[in-house]
Amino acid sequence: QKEVEQNSGPLSVPEGAIASLNCTYSDRGSQSFFWYRQYSGKSPELIMFIYSNGDKEDGRFTAQLNKASQYVSLLIRDSQPSDSATYLCAAGGNQFYFGTGTSLTVIP
Amino acid sequence: DAGVIQSPRHEVTEMGQEVTLRCKPISGHDYLFWYRQTMMRGLELLIYFNNNVPIDDSGMPEDRFSAKMPNASFSTLKIQPSEPRDSAVYFCASSLYDQKAFFGQGTRLTVV
Repeated sequence: QKEVEQNSGPLSVPEGAIASLNCTYSDRGSQSFFWYRQYSGKSPELIMFIYSNGDKEDGRFTAQLNKASQYVSLLIRDSQPSDSATYLCAAGGNQFYFGTGTSLTVIP
Repeated sequence: DAGVIQSPRHEVTEMGQEVTLRCKPISGHDYLFWYRQTMMRGLELLIYFNNNVPIDDSGMPEDRFSAKMPNASFSTLKIQPSEPRDSAVYFCASSLYDQKAFFGQGTRLTVV
């Protein structure tokens, strides 16, 4: 079992819609959670982090954390073609793990 | 700050040769990570350092791989001898205690 699991996609949404990306983790010792965006041929870029249960909003992005269910999600509102990328979920604590990423395509 | 700096950006080498990848972390960051990314396996953590000391090298695939961090501003990842299956993009990242990692541009390694 992988420590962090993501649906590899691809996920396609129309421009202006809400994109929902999901992630589960297996290490209950994980305390911090991150979402990275990676454009093709580029390096991962941190876009959101969350430490506590509940929602955290930053502009069009909302991260959601449910530690009881070991579940993390990222919502992207008003999706834009520029949001098309691979989104990597990561969990940190005593160890640090990345998921394999979900490919998102926003269709104009 | 210029961010995490890696060199070279691209490396093509023949099987059996030694390869050295270099990384300069963001000044003041006390954690440094080396990752390998392939289509098949995604982003894999190879090793990470805290205050120049290797903490976890369980991700290093085999003895052909070694990493050093002689000081707070420089780290190397060495592969000797290199094999075609080592072909990948190697990323270096650095962070503070909060684990918010900043990645370098990566080194694309091709072993022929």
